Amino acid sequence: QSALTQPPSASGSPGQSVTISCTGTSSDVGGYNYVSWYQQHPGKAPKFIIYEVTKRPSGVPDRFSGSRSGNTASLTVSGLQAEDEADYYCSSYAGDNNYVFGTGTKVTVL
Amino acid sequence: QLQLQESGPGLVKPSETLSLTCTVSGGSIISASYFWGWIRQPPGKGLEWIGTIFHSGSTYYNPSLKSRVSISVDTSKSQFSLKLNSVTAADTGVYYCARHGVGDFDHWGQGALVTVSS
Repeated sequence: QSALTQPPSASGSPGQSVTISCTGTSSDVGGYNYVSWYQQHPGKAPKFIIYEVTKRPSGVPDRFSGSRSGNTASLTVSGLQAEDEADYYCSSYAGDNNYVFGTGTKVTVL
Repeated sequence: QLQLQESGPGLVKPSETLSLTCTVSGGSIISASYFWGWIRQPPGKGLEWIGTIFHSGSTYYNPSLKSRVSISVDTSKSQFSLKLNSVTAADTGVYYCARHGVGDFDHWGQGALVTVSS
């Protein structure tokens, strides 16, 4: 199984929106409603912010939203704040009890 | 609140076996709804799922690592463990343990840095 493809970087000014894509195949992203997203600050463990494509865990601001079209999932961060500067990873169930992560995207708040 | 904590040697020699243990507290490792997994992150790189175990002992491994990986569970100690044999410098990185459902890893340990070097 190959890693899901994400853009290496994305950026936006405070208050703006940024959208990160996560491209897989019909065997993972497009085949199951089990896409999740994680935020990772430097030196810290990942924190999960989206599950089952569009759902937010309790405590995650509604500025974070997920969507999917075909084999590509997306994470949108609206109303960018300084603390949103971090690495973001997608993940998908890939069948047969396998999981795959994305290549990661570094979000910079300008 | 559920907490996970990795422990084990921070330095492993090439060709030897990397061994880490994850201790679960604040919740039960015996759950019909959750699995327990290992994920690693090489320095400056992305996340890679290594494998997963259910409290019953059923295991699932990343096909790319399957020949070198073994995960076990000790429910009496609320621990699950990772063994990765025949390590090389490419196995250097931070190793995380995590709880997960079918599709999401919702609780993570703080991570343990393991360096493979002679």
